[in-house]
Amino acid sequence: DIQMTQSPSSLSVSVGDRLTITCRASQNINTYLNWYQQQSGKAPKLLIYAASILQSGVPSRFSGSGSGTEFTLTISSLQPEDFASYYCQESYTTSYTFGQGTVLEIK
Amino acid sequence: EVQLVQSGAEVKKPGESLKISCKGYGFSFTEYWIGWARQKPGKGLEWMGIIFPRDSDTRYSPSFQGQVIISADKSISTAYLQWSSLKASDTAMYYCARRPSGWNNGYFVNWFDPWGQGTLVTVSS
Repeated sequence: DIQMTQSPSSLSVSVGDRLTITCRASQNINTYLNWYQQQSGKAPKLLIYAASILQSGVPSRFSGSGSGTEFTLTISSLQPEDFASYYCQESYTTSYTFGQGTVLEIK
Repeated sequence: EVQLVQSGAEVKKPGESLKISCKGYGFSFTEYWIGWARQKPGKGLEWMGIIFPRDSDTRYSPSFQGQVIISADKSISTAYLQWSSLKASDTAMYYCARRPSGWNNGYFVNWFDPWGQGTLVTVSS
C-alpha cells in the first residue's frame, strides 16, 4: 500500500498569512495527487486535482505543485473561510489513500 | 446541478444490519465511478471502496475488504454501502463521492467531486 504523510498535522496561522502544506508519498505517484478542504461539520470539497490543476470555482489563492513523491498545497493569503482541515489523496491506486490531514487554526 | 444525496442518519445496535444509500442527480450515473469514505469522530478520512454502476465492477480498499459490501442500482442512479453485522467501531460519518477522470500530460488522472452530504451511522447498545 502507498502511505501518504502530510506535514504539519496542525498549524496556527493568521488571516493574510501565506502557508504551505506538504504531502509525501511512500512511492512515486507521478501527479496522481488530489487536495481537499473540509470545513467543520461539512463534506470534503475538491480544491486541486492532478497535483496542480485548480478545480473550477476554487479561489486562485490556492495552488498545488509537485510530482513523484513530494507535493505542496499553498494558500497565498489566508482568508477567514480557509480555516479548515486539508487532506491530500493519491489516485495512483484504487486504494485512494488519504494523508492524515492538516488542521488550520486561528492564531 | 450535479449532486449526490445520501440517506439520513442511522442509530443501530451492535450485530444489526444496515444499508445506506447515495443517489446521483444531474449527471449520467452509469458514466462515473462512485466511491465511499469513512470518517470516525474527530479523525481523518479513510477510503473504503468504489463501484462502477454500469457493470457493478467494485474495488475495495484492503482495510475494508470483507467488512462492507458496496453495490449499485443503475436504474435508480443509487449506490449503496451495507453491513451485515455492525460493530461499535463502525460509528462514523460515511461519505459518497463521484469520480471524474481525464487526460493530463499523458496521464489518465481522476479525482472525487462532488461529495454527498454524509450519513452519520451510530452503533450503540
